[in-house]
Amino acid sequence: GQQVMQIPQYQHVQEGEDFTTYCNSSTTLSNIQWYKQRPGGHPVFLIQLVKSGEVKKQKRLTFQFGEAKKNSSLHITATQTTDVGTYFCAGGVGTYKYIFGTGTRLKVLA
Amino acid sequence: DTEVTQTPKHLVMGMTNKKSLKCEQHMGHRAMYWYKQKAKKPPELMFVYSYEKLSINESVPSRFSPECPNSSLLNLHLHALQPEDSALYLCASSQTRGSTDTQYFGPGTRLTVL
Repeated sequence: GQQVMQIPQYQHVQEGEDFTTYCNSSTTLSNIQWYKQRPGGHPVFLIQLVKSGEVKKQKRLTFQFGEAKKNSSLHITATQTTDVGTYFCAGGVGTYKYIFGTGTRLKVLA
Repeated sequence: DTEVTQTPKHLVMGMTNKKSLKCEQHMGHRAMYWYKQKAKKPPELMFVYSYEKLSINESVPSRFSPECPNSSLLNLHLHALQPEDSALYLCASSQTRGSTDTQYFGPGTRLTVL
């Protein structure tokens, strides 16, 4: 079946270091969304990418959608302790249907 | 108001009980979703309602029964659950422009089945 994998599964960084998570789909996606889930919380929408090769920035966060629309990445510059949480990509595979990636859990050491 | 509310926050039930989870949104969204999330795993889609009609059922066991009484409310009726059904149940809503809509998630109901 359709799968969306993320690597790495876990990442520990020192505060101020950069962080990147990669999302790879077994099939072409109509779009990709990124969510952040804090420990004990619920997924919170960060951004959506629709076009092939699209790049979007939100302050210290940079999101990319691959040319083949099968992969994506999230890069955080100069991490802060508030960036702690699990980052999920969610690939659009049909009307109203999203498959969430396996997630990357980020810990930031002060 | 970009809020999706869910009640109860926590629920403990036995395998013979019948209970319901409730979700409400007042954003005018016409698509509503139920997801199940086990610890340290991603959310898994269970059901989608579009304009109060069931659009997607991801082969969910019949002990889970969704209901959408109106455009603002979504229920999930639970009956004869198993301990492995213990999880965080998340409700979400979105507008209905198809596959490119932002999903707004509620805080979830943490369910424990004894």
